[in-house]
Amino acid sequence: QVQLVESGGGVVQPGRSLRLSCAASGFTFSNFPMHWVRQAPGKGLEWLAAISYDGSDKYYRDSAKGRFTISRDNSRNTLYLQVSSLTAEDTAVYYCTRDRPFHDCWGQGTLVTVSS
Amino acid sequence: DIVVTQSPDSLAVSLGERATINCKSSQSVLYSSDNRNYLAWFQQKPGQPPKLLIYWASTRESGVPDRFSGSGSGTDFTLTISSLQAADVAVYFCQQYYSTPRTFGQGTKVEIK
Repeated sequence: QVQLVESGGGVVQPGRSLRLSCAASGFTFSNFPMHWVRQAPGKGLEWLAAISYDGSDKYYRDSAKGRFTISRDNSRNTLYLQVSSLTAEDTAVYYCTRDRPFHDCWGQGTLVTVSS
Repeated sequence: DIVVTQSPDSLAVSLGERATINCKSSQSVLYSSDNRNYLAWFQQKPGQPPKLLIYWASTRESGVPDRFSGSGSGTDFTLTISSLQAADVAVYFCQQYYSTPRTFGQGTKVEIK
């Protein structure tokens, strides 16, 4: 079945960087655009970034430009999100989602906690 | 950016009664070339990721009970739970996927009265 599994979260100090991964299975990963969405504790959903099926086009919310980098490796069926200069406001569960073009499949999420 | 606003923020409904959630976008999400509304509804339970319920404003995702229905067009949309069950206690979000940045409503918490 279609599955997305995020990893790479944890406790990280302010100012540091982190790379999140999302392993896809159960579908032809290279056929679908993909997205990252995050959710701060007790808050709503915030769309962060998207990448086209072949990685040639990338889209970011304005507040993510410059610090967030979305990428993918279709040979490994994996989506990535590189986040730099982390602050406490980046503390959230980070989800990867598939584009159909609606978000039909979500991973369980990976929790990133920014704390000294 | 398209601003998406839900109402109410929370809702308490008796078991078996109807629950209605509204979603309004700051501009139309009806795409003229395909006559589709780029609006989806999600259900999220504590500790779980969002689950897609409705897309194209009114198409139910496979496996979603038929007590869930979506309606509306342009800028005004509604999610209706026709007969609330205990399993429906959750937060519900609408989202526009008409343009980037994709934006979500703030969420509506549905509880049992």
